[in-house]
Amino acid sequence: QKEVEQNSGPLSVPEGAIASLNCTYSDRGSQSFFWYRQYSGKSPELIMSIYSNGDKEDGRFTAQLNKASQYVSLLIRDSQPSDSATYLCAVSGSARQLTFGSGTQLTVLP
Amino acid sequence: DAMVIQNPRYQVTQFGKPVTLSCSQTLNHNVMYWYQQKSSQAPKLLFHYYDKDFNNEADTPDNFQSRRPNTSFCFLDIRSPGLGDAAMYLCATSRPFTGTENEQFFGPGTRLTVL
Repeated sequence: QKEVEQNSGPLSVPEGAIASLNCTYSDRGSQSFFWYRQYSGKSPELIMSIYSNGDKEDGRFTAQLNKASQYVSLLIRDSQPSDSATYLCAVSGSARQLTFGSGTQLTVLP
Repeated sequence: DAMVIQNPRYQVTQFGKPVTLSCSQTLNHNVMYWYQQKSSQAPKLLFHYYDKDFNNEADTPDNFQSRRPNTSFCFLDIRSPGLGDAAMYLCATSRPFTGTENEQFFGPGTRLTVL
């Protein structure tokens, strides 16, 4: 069974710090990797996608992918209280379906 | 702006009373998905359409049905809602799968309450 595991939360960081969110996956055939942000009571919002090994930066967000280690991470620099949300890691293989992790709840303390 | 729209945003129904949730999209995406998400859990895929090709997940209860009359619209029918079906129902869309890029974009969701 394909599994996606995220580091257990909740995670609290002070405002301005770097938040590090981690995710591992079991299916070596996985090809596409996504991070979604979900505010309480809202739907998931796609914030990063990554498809090849290495780093991908978008503003304060950096996604890192290591297929050999089956590991994907999300770094949030200069964390803001508005970043407080649940972050979902999602992985897709040759099929169209996404497998989601259970999410990591992040709280950024003012 | 191109988007995914879900109606209603909140739905209250009675135990056993059929309910239909709707999703429409202006992204012109070929693939549409329905997910169920319960509190503090990951979204769970119920089924998806690639154009009119319907794909049901093996563990999706028969109580859940779906229709896609055209590219823009997709419906989720819950024939006899039980208390355990209370959840957020999420519609998502993606472009045709042409390689590794298959980003899914979610609508705002419909919160279903079963009394």
